[in-house]
Amino acid sequence: QVTLKESGPVLVKPTETLTLTCTVSGFSLSNARMGVSWIRQPPGKALEWLAHIFSNDEKSYSTSLKSRLTISKDTSKSQVVLTMTNMDPVDTATYYCARIPSRGSYYFDYWGQGTLVTVSS
Amino acid sequence: DIQLTQSPSFLSASVGDRVTITCRASQGISSYLAWYQQKPGKAPKLLIYAASTLQSGVPSRFSGSGSGTEFTLTISSLQPEDFATYYCQQLNSYLALTFGGGTKVEIK
Repeated sequence: QVTLKESGPVLVKPTETLTLTCTVSGFSLSNARMGVSWIRQPPGKALEWLAHIFSNDEKSYSTSLKSRLTISKDTSKSQVVLTMTNMDPVDTATYYCARIPSRGSYYFDYWGQGTLVTVSS
Repeated sequence: DIQLTQSPSFLSASVGDRVTITCRASQGISSYLAWYQQKPGKAPKLLIYAASTLQSGVPSRFSGSGSGTEFTLTISSLQPEDFATYYCQQLNSYLALTFGGGTKVEIK
């Protein structure tokens, strides 16, 4: 059974760095075919893709947020970590991690439940 | 980045209605498109990928079509559990994945 679960702070202050962890089970981060993405959704708004990572450490980032994002993984812990620097109230959103089932098919077949992050002083 | 425009953004329909949602891409994306359903407070659920391939376990009343720049999601007979928001996503540019703005389907 494939599951993903996000964890991290519920509240961060403006200018702080956000660190979110996605813990996966039911598949391995060493699987050459599969990847993990982070996606966010501000309250009442649309989905926004942030970044993804594959087993060979291949990474890609949102064009608009690239300078603020870092994605990494710890295969032994089955975790993917996203950091976002210089947080702002507009970054308030539910952050999801999701699995990419296959290279060349960059859709998301399993999603975590999401974690709401509020940016406020 | 490739932009996706969904229409309508809001749709009011009755149980049993045939519903069609359109997603237009700012440039050609072949068949690299997926559709998701999202209910309030829940994560999105994959419905269709490769424009027309139904994800395992998704009811056959859902179908997708299109290629290039214009795509449609059709629900052949709307059921009570289908009232939700639907998003398209392009997979053509894997360096910059993008979603449409969403279509909310509500009960008439």
